[in-house]
Amino acid sequence: DIQMTQSPSSVSASVGDRVSITCRASQSINRYLNWYQQKPGKAPKLLIYTASSLQSGVPSRFSGSGSGTDFTLTISSLQPEDFATYYCQQSYITPQTFGQGTKVEIK
Amino acid sequence: QVQLQESGPGLVKPSETLSLTCTVSGGSISSYYWTWIRQPPGKGLEWIGYISYTGSTNYNPSLKSRVTISLETSKNQFSLMLSSVTAADTAVYYCARDYGDDSRFDPWGQGALVTVSS
Repeated sequence: DIQMTQSPSSVSASVGDRVSITCRASQSINRYLNWYQQKPGKAPKLLIYTASSLQSGVPSRFSGSGSGTDFTLTISSLQPEDFATYYCQQSYITPQTFGQGTKVEIK
Repeated sequence: QVQLQESGPGLVKPSETLSLTCTVSGGSISSYYWTWIRQPPGKGLEWIGYISYTGSTNYNPSLKSRVTISLETSKNQFSLMLSSVTAADTAVYYCARDYGDDSRFDPWGQGALVTVSS
């Protein structure tokens, strides 16, 4: 299985901050990388697909980059509703696997 | 817009079979792929498997011997069966639409907590 490792595991930030989360794959996955946001008690929500495509309805402050093994999710200006856990997921090969999650907390 | 809703027992005894159904509304199940994902309490996400609109399936090898995903097109539903459950199978189970070749999960159902306990 392809292992997905996110860093950091948690980050404390303030409203208006720029936040970046990294996801590293154990082998090259081209650009087959998706990002999800999950709030407590809710299902994950798709934010970014194929590394950098913004899902319809997702604010433009979210962006994704990377290819191969290294990927980044960036929130350009953190808003109160962005405090959540973020997961990356590779769709290059089955079994599709997720990172362990990065919790974005209020500073 | 497409919406998904999981249903099924919230409590299953050890060694028995977990059974969940996902009802799709606002769109036809006769296209796309349809996926099950689970999340143990306080932990991360695990892909269980998918069924395509043609009925072909693909399961996570870690669960393959115990999993069956099926499609009921006439009811716009798909189902998950997981046999010989243990406490380790306690989780929130989500159904989701998968775009197939350009795979991504969207939308998701709200999730169903299944507890394995005697």
